[in-house]
Amino acid sequence: EVQLVESGGGLVKPGGSLRLSCAASGFTFSTYSMNWVRQAPGKGLEWVSSISSSSSYIYYADSVKGRFTISRDNAKNSLYLQMNSLRAEDTAVYYCARDLGRIVGNAEFDYWGQGTLVTVSS
Amino acid sequence: QSVLTQPPSASGTPGQRVTISCSGSSSNVGSKYVYWYQQFPGTAPKLLIYTNNQRPSGVPDRFSGSKSGTSASLAISGLRSEDEADYYCAAWDDSLSGQVFGGGTKVTVL
Repeated sequence: EVQLVESGGGLVKPGGSLRLSCAASGFTFSTYSMNWVRQAPGKGLEWVSSISSSSSYIYYADSVKGRFTISRDNAKNSLYLQMNSLRAEDTAVYYCARDLGRIVGNAEFDYWGQGTLVTVSS
Repeated sequence: QSVLTQPPSASGTPGQRVTISCSGSSSNVGSKYVYWYQQFPGTAPKLLIYTNNQRPSGVPDRFSGSKSGTSASLAISGLRSEDEADYYCAAWDDSLSGQVFGGGTKVTVL
């Protein structure tokens, strides 16, 4: 059974940093692109970042570019999101999601974690 | 403001057909596949439709998707109370080099 379990969320002050983790199991992690998607309270979904299976291709939303860094450790079946210079508008539930990769050049998120809440407030 | 445009709400009575639109541009919907996600309050989104009109295993055939040009739509026929949820369209955007989502549509069963 495919499982994605996020951790690392919490309360942080503006300007602070936080590192999110996503532990994957039930599939060959090293062969899939992975993503972070966030959802601010009462708002819609916002894609944050994606990383290819071998970390060769990395993309970021403009809203986080230069502040967030996505990475993965295929030996540990884990995905990470290092978040620096956090702002109040980064407050959201952060989901990790697997990209099935059915068709090149498209993104299909077939499995999602349960999410971890990040709150940026003084 | 979301890159893909969806109506904020839609509603219908049990048994009715409800349609949700998703409008984009040539760099996303017009040239890429569209995906639809269903989300219940407090839970993670779930893939509902992939590559414009295909249903993953387990998704009832009451749900159908279509695409024409830079617009896509999700239809729910034979609306049921358990269909009350938020629905999001999504597509890759070549200009932004990223995934874009619609703002979401809340479906209410009256």
